[in-house]
Amino acid sequence: RKEVEQDPGPFNVPEGATVAFNCTYSNSASQSFFWYRQDCRKEPKLLMSVYSSGNEDGRFTAQLNRASQYISLLIRDSKLSDSATYLCVVNPPGAGSYQLTFGKGTKLSVIP
Amino acid sequence: EAGVTQFPSHSVIEKGQTVTLRCDPISGHDNLYWYRRVMGKEIKFLLHFVKESKQDESGMPNNRFLAERTGGTYSTLKVQPAELEDSGVYFCASSQVLRAGEQFFGPGTRLTVL
Repeated sequence: RKEVEQDPGPFNVPEGATVAFNCTYSNSASQSFFWYRQDCRKEPKLLMSVYSSGNEDGRFTAQLNRASQYISLLIRDSKLSDSATYLCVVNPPGAGSYQLTFGKGTKLSVIP
Repeated sequence: EAGVTQFPSHSVIEKGQTVTLRCDPISGHDNLYWYRRVMGKEIKFLLHFVKESKQDESGMPNNRFLAERTGGTYSTLKVQPAELEDSGVYFCASSQVLRAGEQFFGPGTRLTVL
């Protein structure tokens, strides 16, 4: 079983739509959770951290369900500029280590 | 503020040759990481420096890879001798000590081993 699993997509949605991505992680002792965004042939960029209580940043809402070991990202009112690959990222347990474990990503295309 | 920079952006070498990749982290970031993405796979962790010390090198694939961070500033990753399976994009990232999980990535070095 992969450490972080995501639906690869692609998700093709019209502008203005709401889209949701989920991912699951295998290590129940994982400490921190993130969503990163990666544009084609570019580096990953932190989109948002994911907190147990859930958090929102503008049109983006992230949720964490520790019992089920899944993380979600909701994008409301999709923009063309949201087209990218969204990477679910987990920091597994380990004293002093902050290595990130990445999913393969979910590709989103927002269509005019 | 300058971001993480990496050099070179591309490198094409033959099997058996040596290549050295360089990363300059964001100024003031004590944490520096190397990651690699092989085609079709997810990004994988290689190692983590705190200043000049190797904190975690559990992701280094084998002893053909050597990472250094002398003086705790920039870092180099040397592959010697390179093999075909080393081809991929090598990313460097850095973070502050207190927000170590929020990592800033460089643009990557695309390595092709022929």
